[in-house]
This record gives sequence, structure tokens and C-alpha cells, in this order.
Amino acid sequence: DQQVKQNSPSLSVQEGRISILNCDYTNSMFDYFLWYKKYPAEGPTFLISISSIKDKNEDGRFTVFLNKSAKHLSLHIVPSQPGDSAVYFCAALDTGTASKLTFGTGTRLQVTL
Amino acid sequence: EAGVAQSPRYKIIEKRQSVAFWCNPISGHATLYWYQQILGQGPKLLIQFQNNGVVDDSQLPKDRFSAERLKGVDSTLKIQPAKLEDSAVYLCASSPDGGGYGYTFGSGTRLTVV
Repeated sequence: DQQVKQNSPSLSVQEGRISILNCDYTNSMFDYFLWYKKYPAEGPTFLISISSIKDKNEDGRFTVFLNKSAKHLSLHIVPSQPGDSAVYFCAALDTGTASKLTFGTGTRLQVTL
Repeated sequence: EAGVAQSPRYKIIEKRQSVAFWCNPISGHATLYWYQQILGQGPKLLIQFQNNGVVDDSQLPKDRFSAERLKGVDSTLKIQPAKLEDSAVYLCASSPDGGGYGYTFGSGTRLTVV
């Protein structure tokens, strides 16, 4: 049962353009969402998060949007840079019951020159 | 602050052999997690420790996997005997208080079972 889904395994975007990565979840108890970035041979690193009481959180070039009714969130990267090329994981948390993160399958972003 | 240390970085073993991974979390972090990431999938929690007690090991294949966290600091994860499907990256993470925030991951151990 895949509770967090990232339906696009890969995405290619030109440098300077917007990258939009999508994530859907099924568990309505999830109330905190995180995005992680992973380079090859490294562990995932935290990028940005959002609580379910918000619908948007911004940090520099990165913005996460949350649509609770649709159980959907997205990560926007503007402008995209070659160094953003990595695998991006969406993760969700039910803060009321457990501290384990449930991860999506990841989207590989390639930013081309 | 030093990060989460894991060793070895890579390991190749034959099926039915045993293997152990080691993790040293960030100093002062009470909660330690072991995740398994199979190629093409997201990380999946195997076991979570709070100090030296087990909080969640519901997805740990206990017939072959074992883990311990002595003195609430370092942790080891063992597989015995290994199967081909155990080929994956094993990630250790720690967080300050187990609330799910402030996760820091190590670089992982890539295990190949042949």
C-alpha cells in the first residue's frame, strides 16, 4: 500500500525554467510533509517542509504548495539550476502517532544547460 | 556539528552470508532510524530506536534481520543469512527527540548480494 506517491519517475527541465515536482498521498492522518533531495552515493538531505495548517511555504528558490482537499503537494524550483539535478523524495508524517517518515518513490530531476 | 556516520560505504556478499552495518548518530540525538532503500523505491523504515529502546520494528524481517543500539548511542544492523532481495542501500538517520523533525541521514551503506 503506497501511501505517498510520486507518479513521475523523472523530469527534465532547462536551466532557468521552473521545475514542478508532484506528490500525492492517501492517508488523511498525515499532517506534516517534507521534501528531501538526494545526490548519488549520499543520504537524503532535508530541503523544505510544510505543515497541514498552511498551504504554502517558501524558502529562496524553493516553494512547496499543499492542497489538503486533493491530498496533493508540489515542489516548485525557480529558477532551476544544474546543481538541482538530483532525486527528490516527498515524505509525510502523522505527528500525532508516529515519528517515522513515509516516503514516495522519488522523482529524478535533470536540469539541462 | 558532525553528521551521521555509517560504515562500510559498500559491501558485496554472497547469498546466505551474514553482514553487519554500523551507525553513529549525531551527538545528543535520542532517536535513531534504519531505513532500507531498494533501487527505484523510496526509503522504508526497518526499525526505530528511542535511546536504546525499540519504538517500531514492525517492518523488520525478524527471521533474518536484527538491530541493536547499545547505550543509546551507536547502532548495528545485521542480516543473517542474506538473500538476493536484500540488495539495497541501508540508511541510518537520527533526530533530536523523535518528533519526526530534524531528521539527518547518513550517506548509507550500499549492499549487493550475489
